[in-house]
Amino acid sequence: RKEVEQDPGPFNVPEGATVAFNCTYSNSASQSFFWYRQDCRKEPKLLMSVYSSGNEDGRFTAQLNRASQYISLLIRDSKLSDSATYLCAVNADTDKLIFGTGTRLQVFP
Amino acid sequence: DAGVTQSPTHLIKTRGQQVTLRCSPISGHKSVSWYQQVLGQGPQFIFQYYEKEERGRGNFPDRFSARQFPNYSSELNVNALLLGDSALYLCASRLLAGGFYNEQFFGPGTRLTVL
Repeated sequence: RKEVEQDPGPFNVPEGATVAFNCTYSNSASQSFFWYRQDCRKEPKLLMSVYSSGNEDGRFTAQLNRASQYISLLIRDSKLSDSATYLCAVNADTDKLIFGTGTRLQVFP
Repeated sequence: DAGVTQSPTHLIKTRGQQVTLRCSPISGHKSVSWYQQVLGQGPQFIFQYYEKEERGRGNFPDRFSARQFPNYSSELNVNALLLGDSALYLCASRLLAGGFYNEQFFGPGTRLTVL
């Protein structure tokens, strides 16, 4: 079993739609959680950290479920510019991020 | 403020050669980590350095080595290149080592092609 698993997609959604991604992790000792966005052939850019209480940043909402060992990312009112690969990352050993393979999102007009 | 910088941006090498990749962290950041990302996968952790000392190592062969300099910049060296080493090599910096939600920021990467 992979340490961090994501549905690779692609998720094809129309503009304005709401889309949600899940990411499961296997190490119950994991302490911090992140969502990164990666555009084609570019570096990952930090989208948001995922705190125990959940957090929201504009159209983006992240949740953490420690009991079931997954994190989620919800994108509301999708824009064409949201098209990218979304990587979840988990940090158990505090200096090592473990990434999922990423979920590809394609928003169409 | 400048972000993480990496050089070169692209590199083509042949099997058996050696390569050195360079990274400068965000100003004030003391921790540098290296990741390898092959096509279709997420980044994989290679090394982490803090205050010139290795703080973590991923599951990579001894052909991979790194170091950090007094100005916190870092180099990643790969010897005896294999075709499978073709990947995007990413450098990430963070302010400190350890702690949680101590976020990492990535440079643009070096795209290495081994022929």
